[in-house]
Amino acid sequence: AQSVSQHNHHVILSEAASLELGCNYSYGGTVNLFWYVQYPGQHLQLLLKYFSGDPLVKGIKGFEAEFIKSKFSFNLRKPSVQWSDTAEYFCAVSSNTGKLIFGQGTTLQVKP
Amino acid sequence: GAGVSQSPSNKVTEKGKDVELRCDPISGHTALYWYRQRLGQGLEFLIYFQGNSAPDKSGLPSDRFSAERTGESVSTLTIQRTQQEDSAVYLCASSLQGTGRGETQYFGPGTRLLVL
Repeated sequence: AQSVSQHNHHVILSEAASLELGCNYSYGGTVNLFWYVQYPGQHLQLLLKYFSGDPLVKGIKGFEAEFIKSKFSFNLRKPSVQWSDTAEYFCAVSSNTGKLIFGQGTTLQVKP
Repeated sequence: GAGVSQSPSNKVTEKGKDVELRCDPISGHTALYWYRQRLGQGLEFLIYFQGNSAPDKSGLPSDRFSAERTGESVSTLTIQRTQQEDSAVYLCASSLQGTGRGETQYFGPGTRLLVL
């Protein structure tokens, strides 16, 4: 069965610090990988995704993620966080059936 | 444009009562998904509708849970004889075709259910 593991449950950073959130998945077939974000009081929304092509994908607000197939990883990065990046971040995987399997989420708190 | 909407936004019920949660997907989206998020946990897949295909019910936790969808429109998730462990945020999402391949799912605001 597919599963997703997010290593960091709660991360606290100061503004301008660099961010890397870990995500590992368990699935042997073709995968589609996603990072979703939920800002306080808002809906869950897509940050970025990978399904084919260049394994380094760029998303909104300066975020990027790299798919490393040999490590079953899809870590999220941002070189310099802002206070407005405070949110909960979810990594998810799907096969070609569409349903998403989510990790437990990482709460990011950015101190101004 | 209009996104995914859900109602009610909050629901408080007593243990043993039935509840119905509603989801209106984005117009034209053939795929609709229900997920559940219990406190401190990630989202769990519940059920998935795609066009006229039989729904994928593999995530429903018990036979107290059921869902229906009329055509490519509204869906209702019904929980019978609610239990305290059913307390969670129930999220609905829709996507254009539901065939995977990195298709984006668009989420609604969720229904927060509290079972006393």
